[in-house]
Amino acid sequence: NAGVTQTPKFQVLKTGQSMTLQCAQDMNHEYMSWYRQDPGMGLRLIHYSVGAGITDQGEVPNGYNVSRSTTEDFPLRLLSAAPSQTSVYFCASSLGQGLAKNIQYFGAGTRLSVL
Amino acid sequence: AQKITQTQPGMFVQEKEAVTLDCTYDTSDQSYGLFWYKQPSSGEMIFLIYQGSYDEQNATEGRYSLNFQKARKSANLVISASQLGDSAMYFCAMRGTGGFKTIFGAGTRLFVKA
Repeated sequence: NAGVTQTPKFQVLKTGQSMTLQCAQDMNHEYMSWYRQDPGMGLRLIHYSVGAGITDQGEVPNGYNVSRSTTEDFPLRLLSAAPSQTSVYFCASSLGQGLAKNIQYFGAGTRLSVL
Repeated sequence: AQKITQTQPGMFVQEKEAVTLDCTYDTSDQSYGLFWYKQPSSGEMIFLIYQGSYDEQNATEGRYSLNFQKARKSANLVISASQLGDSAMYFCAMRGTGGFKTIFGAGTRLFVKA
């Protein structure tokens, strides 16, 4: 059972390059989200989606775009990479509304370095 | 605004002893959920335990229990009989009703000594 799959696991970019981090889940979860993890700051929400075609901004959305064309996939696009975007990125998914259901299952993470 | 505070950046515990990781929160929501996640050195995020704000009993999951004190807005994680494999980062998180956003604390790194 795959759960939440993120690719790639590691990526090095040059400043100004663009790229897409992929996230797919096979649990038929409605909710998906992207976080970044920086030392000493826990996880911060970048963007989230409550279903196909519906996305919204989190705490730190600048420099990132998302779309949700299917229930399974939720890619994160870096438009023009900056050194400040060096971080570990996590994708997570959960069932729909209702607190007891909202346990988030995380992907393994993508470690991104921007030079 | 919602906020999670974990005041212990790092903690040491002797193997087989119990340890409490502190978490305080701030929210104006009447209904909310509190979560603890474990992040071992391999990097993945593992769900440990959940507590609903209206749950009368403290949540327990095996060696993990959540000491929930609603009036004090605290949701401390208690790990009984610590094992070497418990060495990891631990994150407290909260989600309010009607919203989707989950906020995380900065985490506590736990070291279990043999």
